[in-house]
Order: sequence, then C-alpha cells, then structure tokens
Amino acid sequence: DAGVIQSPRHEVTEMGQEVTLRCKPISGHDYLFWYRQTMMRGLELLIYFNNNVPIDDSGMPEDRFSAKMPNASFSTLKIQPSEPRDSAVYFCASSLGEMNTEAFFGQGTRLTVV
Amino acid sequence: DAKTTQPPSMDCAEGRAANLPCNHSTISGNEYVYWYRQIHSQGPQYIIHGLKNNETNEMASLIITEDRKSSTLILPHATLRDTAVYYCIVRVGYRDDKIIFGKGTRLHILP
Repeated sequence: DAGVIQSPRHEVTEMGQEVTLRCKPISGHDYLFWYRQTMMRGLELLIYFNNNVPIDDSGMPEDRFSAKMPNASFSTLKIQPSEPRDSAVYFCASSLGEMNTEAFFGQGTRLTVV
Repeated sequence: DAKTTQPPSMDCAEGRAANLPCNHSTISGNEYVYWYRQIHSQGPQYIIHGLKNNETNEMASLIITEDRKSSTLILPHATLRDTAVYYCIVRVGYRDDKIIFGKGTRLHILP
C-alpha cells in the first residue's frame, strides 16, 4: 500500500477563496483523522470519522471548515471562505479501530492563504 | 488536552543512547503509553507503545515505571536521522479514543 495520500502537497490561495484538501486513507482502515499543525498551536485534531461517519468534530475551528467522507477511500476538508489565519500544514491519518493499532499519517498539505 | 508532560528539548551525541522522559501521573488503568515522532516537514510516525511492561522493537525501547506515572523512550544508538520532535501520548488505544498530541520533546542529535 502507498500509505495515506494527501493532495495537493502545497496550496497557495487568496483570502476569501474556497480551498479543498483531499485524503485517501490506507485501504481497509476504518478510522480517518484530520489534523492541523501550526507553530503556535502545535498538532490539533480537527475531526475524525469511523466507517465514513463523523464521530467528533469538536476540533473544527468554525463554520468555515467542513469535512466529508463520501466513501471509505476518500475524504475532503474544505475551507470556505479561507482566511490568512488558516495557513498551516494539514495532516490526514488513518487507522484500524482494533486494539492498539497505530495511526498512519500522510505527508500533509501546506496551505498558505495570502 | 494532552495528559503528558515532556521536556521541550534535549540534546544527544550521535552514537549514544537517547533517553526521552515523559510524565503521565494521571494515567488510568486501561490507558496505554504511545510514542510518535515527527521528522521535519513530515507526518508523525508511530514508534512504540506499552501498558505496564517494558517493550522493545526495532526502533526503540519503552520503559514504564512500576506505578505507571512516568516512562522513558530509549533510542539505543542515536543517529542524525533521529533528530525530530518526539510525542508521548496516553490513550486507551481502542475504537473511538482520540490521538491528542502535546508539545513533545525536540531531540537534537549532535555529530
């Protein structure tokens, strides 16, 4: 398996534009996580899914952020409208829900909002 | 919130053992200690986990105190490629238990 695949790797957009980040989890994994990382706040869990259903979205900063998982092999994180303070590295991770399995992280998407 | 306390940074000479401490004084009986690391610009990578017995794998060893209130991750022969931020995480490790990262320890391996 190629691991967790995120796209794009880098995204530069203007304030007010819609941004969509994409994630393909490892085949067979039933949990998917979205994280955001900044220097100031570190790694923050935004939302996670189990079997394509959102379980906990308490980390989503505000209504401008939304995440979907239409099927087991694809998830999106959308920011609309984007703001400069959304600039960060966004990571997607997936895991099995069985006892003590590890989470596998993608390489991240570096988002810059100007 | 993270349930662990780690020193913000540490240095270790290349070839020596790196010992990274972690305090988790409020750990519950069913919670495991996990370690991940993040090399610059990459996603976090799983290293090892344990409940109460010492654990070893090809990457590292994990020593957990008898009262389980603290642990130490040991990289036996540190190399420059081990320079990274190391995160100690306490979690049940099952089903809907979230992975919450604290600030971690930034480990510098010195040539």
